[in-house]
Amino acid sequence: DAKTTQPPSMDCAEGRAANLPCNHSTISGNEYVYWYRQIHSQGPQYIIHGLKNNETNEMASLIITEDRKSSTLILPHATLRDTAVYYCIVRLPPNDYKLSFGAGTTVTVRA
Amino acid sequence: NAGVTQTPKFQVLKTGQSMTLQCAQDMNHNSMYWYRQDPGMGLRLIYYSASEGTTDKGEVPNGYNVSRLNKREFSLRLESAAPSQTSVYFCASSATSGGTDTQYFGPGTRLTVL
Repeated sequence: DAKTTQPPSMDCAEGRAANLPCNHSTISGNEYVYWYRQIHSQGPQYIIHGLKNNETNEMASLIITEDRKSSTLILPHATLRDTAVYYCIVRLPPNDYKLSFGAGTTVTVRA
Repeated sequence: NAGVTQTPKFQVLKTGQSMTLQCAQDMNHNSMYWYRQDPGMGLRLIYYSASEGTTDKGEVPNGYNVSRLNKREFSLRLESAAPSQTSVYFCASSATSGGTDTQYFGPGTRLTVL
């Protein structure tokens, strides 16, 4: 797996967009970018993934730079329930069968 | 759809006791996984099963055995529990689609070994 670098923590105001950056400068051409989050004491929750194009689903948007060396997860309207640790993971499925969770970004949404 | 379910939610064992953690998924996924998460740490893969009838070791398999009972169920057994196995255990499942796959996790089993 390519290494990823995320800021250790960030705060966000409720109702505002949260933009979570991730650097993955050594990503290879076939590796995907995945985002998961883990709310305290719960199982990790899948958010979104992408290869080259920007992606959007009901939870978030994923913006991948043209050179694919970095990406940004956008939570459009953060709520208190979005407080969690967010993990950016780069992997080559299905060869990379395991998910390698780094330290992630602890996001605190404040009222 | 219940997704991935795990039983029990909590368990306390004494050193040397054995137990089996159960996991089931109703998403018709081929692959299933067992991870452990120690306090303040990331998840580490114990075993995985790419398809029914196959199992393979992950990063930390020592002290564990697994059984892929059928497509839905994947159990993890501790034959002789040790305090070092105190952890939160997560089961996950996935299906390959369009060249990629997404793992979905259960709520976890919190195990304490005294």
